[in-house]
Amino acid sequence: EPEVTQTPSHQVTQMGQEVILRCVPISNHLYFYWYRQILGQKVEFLVSFYNNEISEKSEIFDDQFSVERPDGSNFTLKIRSTKLEDSAMYFCASSASGGLGVKTQYFGPGTRLTVL
Amino acid sequence: AQSVTQLDSHVSVSEGTPVLLRCNYSSSYSPSLFWYVQHPNKGLQLLLKYTSAATLVKGINGFEAEFKKSETSFHLTKPSAHMSDAAEYFCVVSDQDNFNKFYFGSGTKLNVKP
Repeated sequence: EPEVTQTPSHQVTQMGQEVILRCVPISNHLYFYWYRQILGQKVEFLVSFYNNEISEKSEIFDDQFSVERPDGSNFTLKIRSTKLEDSAMYFCASSASGGLGVKTQYFGPGTRLTVL
Repeated sequence: AQSVTQLDSHVSVSEGTPVLLRCNYSSSYSPSLFWYVQHPNKGLQLLLKYTSAATLVKGINGFEAEFKKSETSFHLTKPSAHMSDAAEYFCVVSDQDNFNKFYFGSGTKLNVKP
């Protein structure tokens, strides 16, 4: 069964450094998402991406964040200058295209980001 | 805005006994509702979804959930727990305004005792 994969599983970085979290969505999906979960808090929506552009972003997704689909298979989340409060589990998801209505999102296992 | 409340952060049951994980939602419109499960070091796996068809939804691994509009609930049940059901379960809502955006509950950790 196809699944979403994410690398690395755990990333440790120093405050102020740039990090790139990588995701490989399910191959025929066209909608991509990033969510994050700070320890002890709810999973929160960050951004959705379709047709090579951001379709929606939350208040959390400020100028420090960016997303990219650099090739036909990867979807990345970049944090330019990490802060302590960026420490969280980051989940990538993808969903299929076609029709109106809700598209089931399929999630990866997450990348745990620790900012020191 | 949409929101989801999972009433229990932890539930503990004995193997072979029923499971009930509670979820209430708030939504201005007819919502779409999902249950996901997360086993340790694994991704969020879809258990089942409700998208305005039958109110009783059957999912994988013997789980089911019933959409009750009058109670704004979407509780997850299973008649007989198995040790492999031990995991964290998330109730999720998406609304007609924005199908792409999911709102998560805080999660319920299910412990299954032998």
